[in-house]
Amino acid sequence: DAGVTQSPTHLIKTRGQHVTLRCSPISGHKSVSWYQQVLGQGPQFIFQYYEKEERGRGNFPDRFSARQFPNYSSELNVNALLLGDSALYLCASSLAATGTGANVLTFGAGSRLTVL
Amino acid sequence: AQSVTQPDIHITVSEGASLELRCNYSYGATPYLFWYVQSPGQGLQLLLKYFSGDTLVQGIKGFEAEFKRSQSSFNLRKPSVHWSDAAEYFCAVGAKAAGNKLTFGGGTRVLVKP
Repeated sequence: DAGVTQSPTHLIKTRGQHVTLRCSPISGHKSVSWYQQVLGQGPQFIFQYYEKEERGRGNFPDRFSARQFPNYSSELNVNALLLGDSALYLCASSLAATGTGANVLTFGAGSRLTVL
Repeated sequence: AQSVTQPDIHITVSEGASLELRCNYSYGATPYLFWYVQSPGQGLQLLLKYFSGDTLVQGIKGFEAEFKRSQSSFNLRKPSVHWSDAAEYFCAVGAKAAGNKLTFGGGTRVLVKP
C-alpha cells in the first residue's frame, strides 16, 4: 500500500512568490493535517481537514491556507513568501478526525521549501 | 496550552549501550503521548504511543516508554542501541479534544558511535 505522498519533494522560491504543496493520503484515510518543521525544531501544526472541512488551525498567518478535495487529497498554499517560511512541510493522514485515538497520524516524507 | 520539553538536544551513545531519551509534557488533562523518529531527509515514523492503561508501552524497533503522571514524563528507552538508531527523536502530546493537533518537542538527535 502506498503511504502518504507529497509533492514536490524540493522547491526553491523567492520572497513574495506563492507556493502550492500537495498531499495524497493513505487510501481510506479521510483526514489530512499539515505541519511546518523549521530546521532544528519540532513540527508545528498548521491545519487539519476532515471530509473537506477545516477542523483545526494552528497559529499561522492568513498567508497560509489549505483545502481538501473530494478524493481526500489536500493542498497547502502559502502566499507572499517570507524567508522564514523556509521549512520542511509535512502532511499526515489518519482515518478519522480524531487522530489521537486509535487513528494515529501517518506522515509523508515532506516537501522542503527554500525561500531566497 | 500543551507543551513538550526534550531537555537533551544531542546524545551520543556507543553501539550496544543503552539509550534513554527524556520527555516532559505540560497538559491539563490526560494526555495522549507519542514518540516519533525522523531519519535524515525522511518524514516521521511512529515508534510508540500511549493513550491509557499500562504505563509501560512497547513499540517498534525494540523501543519502550514509560508514562509517569506524577513526573509529567514519557521517557523513551532502548536496552541496546544499533547503528541504525542514529536519527532525531521527537516526543509529542495530543488530546482527543485537539483532533489531529500534536504538540511536538524540539527533538533529540542521537549519534551512535561504533
